Amino acid sequence: NAGVTQTPKFRILKIGQSMTLQCTQDMNHNYMYWYRQDPGMGLKLIYYSVGAGITDKGEVPNGYNVSRSTTEDFPLRLELAAPSQTSVYFCASRHRQGQSYEQYFGPGTRLTVT
Amino acid sequence: AQSVTQLGSHVSVSEGALVLLRCNYSSSVPPYLFWYVQYPNQGLQLLLKYTTGATLVKGINGFEAEFKKSETSFHLTKPSAHMSDAAEYFCAVRDVSGNTPLVFGKGTRLSVIA
Repeated sequence: NAGVTQTPKFRILKIGQSMTLQCTQDMNHNYMYWYRQDPGMGLKLIYYSVGAGITDKGEVPNGYNVSRSTTEDFPLRLELAAPSQTSVYFCASRHRQGQSYEQYFGPGTRLTVT
Repeated sequence: AQSVTQLGSHVSVSEGALVLLRCNYSSSVPPYLFWYVQYPNQGLQLLLKYTTGATLVKGINGFEAEFKKSETSFHLTKPSAHMSDAAEYFCAVRDVSGNTPLVFGKGTRLSVIA
């Protein structure tokens, strides 16, 4: 299994541009998550999904959109990029059954908006 | 809502010394508890978790943590630090009721001095 994969690894955007961060998992996990990580702030949840066709907002959803058309894919869309969106973005997934199941993380996408 | 406090954003220890990273949670009902490690420029990897049963939990790389309900704590320890332990460590919690996402602490960066 490849686990959770994310593309691209790095990206530089100009203010106002848009882009999609890709996330794919091959573990047949129902739950998927997007976090952003800023220095000294830990990880903050942007959006999550409990299955195909179902998404919900996390703590910091403004400026982002998601979709979940398949079990495997959970892309994160940035519209009108702003410098405040400069961050490292992590996708994660886990099984539905069992609250104790841990989340598996991708390697991250480092985004700079200038 | 759940919250997690990690005392000390940066901890420095000598090689061979005891590692102690502190984590406290805020919940009247004990949650599921996790410790993750993040090596530079990588994603997060699970170190250990507490769900039910024995309160002393052993994880990978010689780390362990003890759940103390009376202190609402889940501190991470390792008897003897290695240079390879230098990384950022995150404590995270999840409610035992409902399918809620993990809530992370702000992280503690561990430095190991030769």
